[in-house]
Amino acid sequence: GDSVTQTEGLVTVTEGLPVKLNCTYQTTYLTIAFFWYVQYLNEAPQVLLKSSTDNKRTEHQGFHATLHKSSSSFHLQKSSAQLSDSALYYCALRNAGAKLTFGGGTRLTVRP
Amino acid sequence: GGIITQTPKFLIGQEGQKLTLKCQQNFNHDTMYWYRQDSGKGLRLIYYSITENDLQKGDLSEGYDASREKKSSFSLTVTSAQKNEMAVFLCASSIGGDWGQNTLYFGAGTRLSVL
Repeated sequence: GDSVTQTEGLVTVTEGLPVKLNCTYQTTYLTIAFFWYVQYLNEAPQVLLKSSTDNKRTEHQGFHATLHKSSSSFHLQKSSAQLSDSALYYCALRNAGAKLTFGGGTRLTVRP
Repeated sequence: GGIITQTPKFLIGQEGQKLTLKCQQNFNHDTMYWYRQDSGKGLRLIYYSITENDLQKGDLSEGYDASREKKSSFSLTVTSAQKNEMAVFLCASSIGGDWGQNTLYFGAGTRLSVL
């Protein structure tokens, strides 16, 4: 089956510095789509980014991610972290069907 | 726009009890999901339903039943609550058909505690 790995459970960064959240995957399917979801405290998860095109940069709300099928990765990055970015981030993949597989999540804390 | 409503928000049960969680959506989405959220384990799929009266098992279906009697509602039953179990159950919905990059929209969750 599919699997998504987020290697860091916790990431702490100082406001204004860059941040990178790692996401790698394993799948046996060729047609796939990738997502980053963000969950702020006491809120529902919501989509942040999505992509299905290899080597194409996708951006939203200052975050960006590029799907690299050669390395099975879809890392999330931001050049300058803000206090409001503190949240739980999930990487997820979808194969040709309805099922969406999530990673274990990374809790990002941005400190002043 | 639309909304996903999960009831109850908090659920306290006893060991061995059967507990039912409910989810309603007004997006008119075809596909609905139940995920379990545990710290460090991410979101794990319990059941999903592609259309009314359809049920598909996810990776964590053992110990749970689900029911999709209407397009707008999807309920989940914990068949026998486990002592000291604590988790958040998230309901989600999505447009069906060619899923591709279709987004899941989540409810705020039901927080379960078992005494």
